[in-house]
Amino acid sequence: QKEVEQNSGPLSVPEGAIASLNCTYSDRVSQSFFWYRQYSGKSPELIMSIYSNGDKEDGRFTAQLNKASQYVSLLIRDSQPSDSATYLCAVNFPSAGKSTFGDGTTLTVKP
Amino acid sequence: DAGVIQSPRHEVTEMGQEVTLRCKPISGHNSLFWYRQTMMRGLELLIYFNNNVPIDDSGMPEDRFSAKMPNASFSTLKIQPSEPRDSAVYFCASNHGQFYGYTFGSGTRLTVV
Repeated sequence: QKEVEQNSGPLSVPEGAIASLNCTYSDRVSQSFFWYRQYSGKSPELIMSIYSNGDKEDGRFTAQLNKASQYVSLLIRDSQPSDSATYLCAVNFPSAGKSTFGDGTTLTVKP
Repeated sequence: DAGVIQSPRHEVTEMGQEVTLRCKPISGHNSLFWYRQTMMRGLELLIYFNNNVPIDDSGMPEDRFSAKMPNASFSTLKIQPSEPRDSAVYFCASNHGQFYGYTFGSGTRLTVV
């Protein structure tokens, strides 16, 4: 079992819909959780950080964390074609001192 | 803030040649990471430094790869000799510490022919 697992993609949603990206992780004591967006041919860009249970909202993006279920998600409301990218979930395992990345979920938003 | 700066952006080299990739982290960031990304293997951590000291190099594929961080503002990743299977995009990233996300550089696209 991988330490960080994401939805197997690709994920396709129509413009204006809500895109839901999911991630589970293996270490119950993890404290820091991140979502990165990577456009084709570009480097990953940090878009959300979350540290506490519950929701964190930033514009059209909402990160949700449930430590008991070892689950973190990213919701994109009113999806736009410009949101089409690969989204990487990353979790910091305290014992490792570094982030472990999931394989990513590729999202396509169709006009 | 100029962000994480990598050079070169593209490198094409012949098999057997030495390749050196360079990275300048964000000033004040005390951790630096080298990643390799391919379609087949995704994003792989090669090595990371904390306060210029290598902490975990378990991801370095073999002895042909080496990395140094002589000071807080510069790191190199060297491949000698290079092989076609080393062709990938190499990213450098930095952060304040383990509770923070990473800032990635633009990457170096390496092609070994």
